[in-house]
Amino acid sequence: SQQGEEDPQALSIQEGENATMNCSYKTSINNLQWYRQNSGRGLVHLILIRSNEREKHSGRLRVTLDTSKKSSSLLITASRAADTASYFCATVINTNAGKSTFGDGTTLTVKP
Amino acid sequence: DSGVTQTPKHLITATGQRVTLRCSPRSGDLSVYWYQQSLDQGLQFLIQYYNGEERAKGNILERFSAQQFPDLHSELNLSSLELGDSALYFCASSITSNTGELFFGEGSRLTVL
Repeated sequence: SQQGEEDPQALSIQEGENATMNCSYKTSINNLQWYRQNSGRGLVHLILIRSNEREKHSGRLRVTLDTSKKSSSLLITASRAADTASYFCATVINTNAGKSTFGDGTTLTVKP
Repeated sequence: DSGVTQTPKHLITATGQRVTLRCSPRSGDLSVYWYQQSLDQGLQFLIQYYNGEERAKGNILERFSAQQFPDLHSELNLSSLELGDSALYFCASSITSNTGELFFGEGSRLTVL
């Protein structure tokens, strides 16, 4: 099964609202990343948070990491219709072989 | 534009055939990763190369093979294709083998009929 699991699977909000997506994982990690994927396109890296960090910001994005609960959240503030996409968390366990293991994603729809 | 180039963008072939997918990583990136994305399996890690050597292996079938060449481009070979191999195949690259920050190509969509 996947290392990361996103929740909810789908989220629909109005433009201007905040969107929160959660990711839970099973084993200790070195870092966790969030990616965005527009339908049928490649994934785009949004933000990386290391295991010794608790919170990180990038523009309208805020990511938190709770290693004791093995969970992370991605908050998108003041959402826009252009934020409509699928969002994936990915974890790196072992930095000697830095493959990222992806969850199943959250599909976000922002209605104008 | 991530700087990662994948060809072909679309490929339609028949069961039992063999195809080769090509990936050119971002300039300067030494590590290449291959992922398969399908509706029922999600995004599955297949294999990783770093500077020409295999670094990590995931859920890659024996019918599939890959390599990274001295100029750092990579090829994923899929043989004896089955209907279930229909998927989007992504290549991603990173500077090192352990940054966790991947740059993805736009994918090769394979349809097996």
